Amino acid sequence: DAGVTQSPTHLIKTRGQQVTLRCSPKSGHDTVSWYQQALGQGPQFIFQYYEEEERQRGNFPDRFSGHQFPNYSSELNVNALLLGDSALYLCASSAKTTGLAGRYEQYFGPGTRLTVT
Amino acid sequence: GNSVTQMEGPVTLSEEAFLTINCTYTATGYPSLFWYVQYPGEGLQLLLKATKADDKGSNKGFEATYRKETTSFHLEKGSVQVSDSAVYFCALSMNYGGSQGNLIFGKGTKLSVKP
Repeated sequence: DAGVTQSPTHLIKTRGQQVTLRCSPKSGHDTVSWYQQALGQGPQFIFQYYEEEERQRGNFPDRFSGHQFPNYSSELNVNALLLGDSALYLCASSAKTTGLAGRYEQYFGPGTRLTVT
Repeated sequence: GNSVTQMEGPVTLSEEAFLTINCTYTATGYPSLFWYVQYPGEGLQLLLKATKADDKGSNKGFEATYRKETTSFHLEKGSVQVSDSAVYFCALSMNYGGSQGNLIFGKGTKLSVKP
């Protein structure tokens, strides 16, 4: 059973460019959340997708946008990159319709390391 | 707003020592509480969880009890191993009518265990 997968593993971009990160959820999961983890910090919530719609959003500017596809996979897009966007971007999946035992569990992928120069 | 505060690291212990990592939270309502572990170069793995007051989560020798009266969820292990060296994150999630809220993390505590 494949877990959460993310691509690419590493990425280097220049200020002002745009980037797209991809995530495939764990089998059986229908909800995808994205987090930004700056070096030495805890992850910060960006947004969550369910049924192809953004359901929750953290305190991130509109430069951060996303999409969820019918197969539950998801993309994170960041426009007009800033140096401060350099971070590890984590995708987490969960199952909204799981029974109570697993309802609150989010499973994380290995992350995409984005470096903006 | 909702937040998590955990003890600053790094924490360095000898193998077989007792571990405590303190975590307290602020939340309006009744959150679910979690400990995640991040090994070098990897994503986060769920270590244990508790969804209501007085619940005890446990896994791989680690334990944490949801204490509503002290708003705490301290992580403990009786005898640490070198392989436990990692960064540990305390987190909470609010749940609204069965919908899962986002995770709010502490800043993390780096644990190094020496042989």
